[in-house]
Amino acid sequence: GENVEQHPSTLSVQEGDSAVIKCTYSDSASNYFPWYKQELGKRPQLIIDIRSNVGEKKDQRIAVTLNKTAKHFSLHITETQPEDSAVYFCAPPGGSNYKLTFGKGTLLTVNP
Amino acid sequence: GAGVSQSPSNKVTEKGKDVELRCDPISGHTALYWYRQSLGQGLEFLIYFQGNSAPDKSGLPSDRFSAERTGGSVSTLTIQRTQQEDSAVYLCASSQRQGAYEQYFGPGTRLTVT
Repeated sequence: GENVEQHPSTLSVQEGDSAVIKCTYSDSASNYFPWYKQELGKRPQLIIDIRSNVGEKKDQRIAVTLNKTAKHFSLHITETQPEDSAVYFCAPPGGSNYKLTFGKGTLLTVNP
Repeated sequence: GAGVSQSPSNKVTEKGKDVELRCDPISGHTALYWYRQSLGQGLEFLIYFQGNSAPDKSGLPSDRFSAERTGGSVSTLTIQRTQQEDSAVYLCASSQRQGAYEQYFGPGTRLTVT
């Protein structure tokens, strides 16, 4: 099965700064790499994902980069805002392509 | 349109009792998943249904856990003889088709076993 590690576990930044969260995985058969955001007391929601034939994907202030050789992918948030405060999870499904294996999460706090 | 719904939103039960948790996926979504989230932890995969195929039950933690999906839509997760370690938020998700696609989560059922 897939082993997933996520770093850091907590991250505190000032509004306007950038934040980067890294996820390492073990299953070389993985070809789908999503990031989910979970606000306090709410359900997880997909914010960005990338497939293995692409090295980087951007959506406004959010980007994901993938290094398949090193088996890690990272979430980048630029110009952070207080509403970005949440727990972020990487969840690669490994070779199954559907059985999401969630990291332990990164608590991001954006201070105004 | 309507998202994934779950009921009840909260359930408190005594140790040893059975509980049933319900999930209504987004209409037309063929894939349905159950996950469990313990306090301050990530989500743990439990079971996956896809159309009429046999479900992937590889994440169920013990034989006290079972799930069914009737008519390719509504799903029920049943926990028999509940234990305190079963206390968690149980989340259901659905996706439009099989494979590596966005999973839409429901609001969850918070289960507390006393």
